[in-house]
Formats: sequence, structure tokens, C-alpha cells
Amino acid sequence: QSVLTQPPSVSGSPGQRVSISCSGTSSNIGINNVYWYQQFPGAAPRLLIYRNDHRPSGVPDRYSGSKSGTSASLAISGLRSEDEADYYCEAWDDSLNAYVFGPGTTVIVL
Amino acid sequence: EVQLLESGGALVQPGGSLTLSCVVSGATFIRYAMSWVRQAPGKGLEWVSGINGSGDDPKYGDAVKGRFTISRDNSKNTVYLVMNNVRAEDTATYYCAKMKSTVPTATYFEHWGQGTLVSVSS
Repeated sequence: QSVLTQPPSVSGSPGQRVSISCSGTSSNIGINNVYWYQQFPGAAPRLLIYRNDHRPSGVPDRYSGSKSGTSASLAISGLRSEDEADYYCEAWDDSLNAYVFGPGTTVIVL
Repeated sequence: EVQLLESGGALVQPGGSLTLSCVVSGATFIRYAMSWVRQAPGKGLEWVSGINGSGDDPKYGDAVKGRFTISRDNSKNTVYLVMNNVRAEDTATYYCAKMKSTVPTATYFEHWGQGTLVSVSS
């Protein structure tokens, strides 16, 4: 059972916008930054969004992050087939003194 | 370019021990905390352990506390994970991750290695 909650999957057609939610509590997302990682099958995760809404260099601006209260979201606009991957949210939890991840969301491009 | 290369994954019997290594290049190693994150087959990501830049402040997730030990050798740009008394539920791909900060808490996993597979079975 993950501390953070994400939907198992989201889907959309090419060109559409999809959003992945990440719900936490006052001990993690409520007081700390949220990060997002992208993982393709058989590959290592890679940092996609840091400090809630910042993109590392090389990440397309089609990806955007936001945070409000104890929830965060990742949006992908102009959906492409190469966006099919698993996406994980993550935050530090002050009560657990540990990093917590969401269970991951699979993005499916129809 | 920052690169992380893990090694040491293997098949190990329950109750046995194993040491994982991760060599980092392309970064001033001592400036960054390091972590191990694992992923069981078909499952999500789980933080295992982290250590600060100077190597004197290790942190552990509850699932491995008392069984695993993280350490680093800054002269070799290498971080280690000694796994003792392993269990079937420790079966996973173990990723080494370079963190953004010198301290391993409340920061993030900026760069990742390709992972090394640990299988615990008799």
C-alpha cells in the first residue's frame, strides 16, 4: 500500500492533454516538494519534474507539474506515442523520515 | 555527463548476504548524497537507503533497517549497499541514484543508474 495515491492508468488520443493526480497527506505533499519520474519498460526511471513544477533541461515543455495543498498533478499536453510510460510521484515524508512514492500511473496513447 | 554504474546483483539464498556497488562519474562525488531505490518485479519504486556526502549520516527505510548497510568511498566515487539476512521480498532491481543535495533527506533523485537485479530464492 503506497503512501501516495495515483490512478493505475490514464489514456488519451494523440494530441490530447492528460493529467495524472497524486494525493498525499500533511506530512508529505502538504509540506514538501513533489517530484515526478518517468519510466519506460525495462529502463531506469528518469527525473521529469522537480520542486513541483520545474523541468530539468531536456524535458519537453509539454510536461508540466503543479501542487495544491496535499495533492499534485502532472499534465502532458500534445500527447504523443512516445509518452507511453509509467509515471511516479514522490515526496519526502516528515513523519516516516523516508521518501515515499506513488504506485505509478501508466499512460496509454490510444 | 553524469553516469552511474551498478554491479553486484545476483541470485542469493534467503538469509544470505550480498554487496551492491555503484560507481559514479561526471560529478564531484563528495558533494552529493546517494541513495538506493528498488523495484520489485512488476511493482513500483521503493526507497531503500541514503547517505550524505561525507558518508557519516546513513538513512534507511523501515523494510531494511537493521539488515542493510549503506556506505561510500569518496576516493573511489563509489557507494555500497551491504545486504544481510535477505528475504524473498528483497527480490528487486536495485537502482543507485545521485541526489541533488549533500544531505540525503528532503531532496530528490537527480540521476539514476541502470539497475542491478537481486533475486532471493532457495
